[in-house]
Amino acid sequence: AQSVTQPDIHITVSEGASLELRCNYSYGATPYLFWYVQSPGQGLQLLLKYFSGDTLVQGIKGFEAEFKRSQSSFNLRKPSVHWSDAAEYFCAVGVNTGFQKLVFGTGTRLLVSP
Amino acid sequence: DAMVIQNPRYQVTQFGKPVTLSCSQTLNHNVMYWYQQKSSQAPKLLFHYYDKDFNNEADTPDNFQSRRPNTSFCFLDIRSPGLGDAAMYLCATQDGSVNQRKHFGDGTRLSIL
Repeated sequence: AQSVTQPDIHITVSEGASLELRCNYSYGATPYLFWYVQSPGQGLQLLLKYFSGDTLVQGIKGFEAEFKRSQSSFNLRKPSVHWSDAAEYFCAVGVNTGFQKLVFGTGTRLLVSP
Repeated sequence: DAMVIQNPRYQVTQFGKPVTLSCSQTLNHNVMYWYQQKSSQAPKLLFHYYDKDFNNEADTPDNFQSRRPNTSFCFLDIRSPGLGDAAMYLCATQDGSVNQRKHFGDGTRLSIL
């Protein structure tokens, strides 16, 4: 069965420092992979997605992610974190059952220190 | 401008008292989803509509129902809410093409007294 693992529940990063959030997936076919961000009390906003092609994908707000098939990973990165990046980040795999069901990881809460 | 609107943002109901959450969209998308997100957990798909076709997830409790009277609106009905149903409920829409992005609303936070 498909699943997504985000091993870090919380991460604290200093403002201006680089960020990497880890995501590992389990899926038998070619995955559709997503990163979403959720600010407190709000819905999910898509940061970026990978369907095929270039394994390094660029997203909004300066985020990027790299798909590594050999490691079943899709880690999210940002070179310089801003205080406004503090939020919950969810990795998800799209299961193409005709409408693309999303299976989410349990999320990583990013805290940004001054 | 908000494209997926959920009302209300916060809903309080009593144990066992039916409650309805609503979602509307201005995108004219033919797919609408309802997700349940409990505190500190990942969103979990409850069901979705593809046009008028309703698709229930296998593990969605019978207590949860949905209606979609037209393209723009979708409702989540909880017939007899229990304490375990307290959660954020997220509505999302998607164009019918599999590769199109989903648009999420800001959610309704449901509390059970």
